[in-house]
Amino acid sequence: AQSVTQLDSQVPVFEEAPVELRCNYSSSVSVYLFWYVQYPNQGLQLLLKYLSGSTLVKGINGFEAEFNKSQTSFHLRKPSVHISDTAEYFCAVRVQGAQKLVFGQGTRLTINP
Amino acid sequence: NAGVTQTPKFQVLKTGQSMTLQCAQDMNHNSMYWYRQDPGMGLRLIYYSASEGTTDKGEVPNGYNVSRLNKREFSLRLESAAPSQTSVYFCATTPEGVSTDTQYFGPGTRLTVL
Repeated sequence: AQSVTQLDSQVPVFEEAPVELRCNYSSSVSVYLFWYVQYPNQGLQLLLKYLSGSTLVKGINGFEAEFNKSQTSFHLRKPSVHISDTAEYFCAVRVQGAQKLVFGQGTRLTINP
Repeated sequence: NAGVTQTPKFQVLKTGQSMTLQCAQDMNHNSMYWYRQDPGMGLRLIYYSASEGTTDKGEVPNGYNVSRLNKREFSLRLESAAPSQTSVYFCATTPEGVSTDTQYFGPGTRLTVL
């Protein structure tokens, strides 16, 4: 069975600083990888996804993620964060051909002025 | 175009009471899902419906039942609520139910069981 580990439960950063949110997955078969963002008191929305092709994926709001098959990682990055990026971020994985999406525990990103 | 809507937004129940959480979508999506979100545990799948007329158990189905009433609506029922079911519940949909699909989430229902 597949699993997802988000290594940091909370990440505080200063405004305009770079940030990396870490995600590692475990699966014996090929997977698709997703990052979702949850703003306070809202549902989740897709930030970006990796299906195939280029390992560097760009998403909304200036975020990008890099798929690393050898390290089974899909870390999320942004070169310069804004106060509006304060949210919880979830990494998720789905096995090819499967219905179920498996989520990590979430990382709470807090931006300090 | 409302997307995915959930009712109610908030609910407080006493142990043993029953209730139904409603989810509706106007995107003509085939697949629908119910998740619960608990601190430090991410989202866990309760039940899903790949298409109208079918439902399947997810990771944490015990204590819940579901009904896919039609293509638009997917309800989640708690027959006898327990404090362990205190959580935020999210409904989600996907267009085709294939593994590359993006999931579209509703705003959530915050349930407290006393």
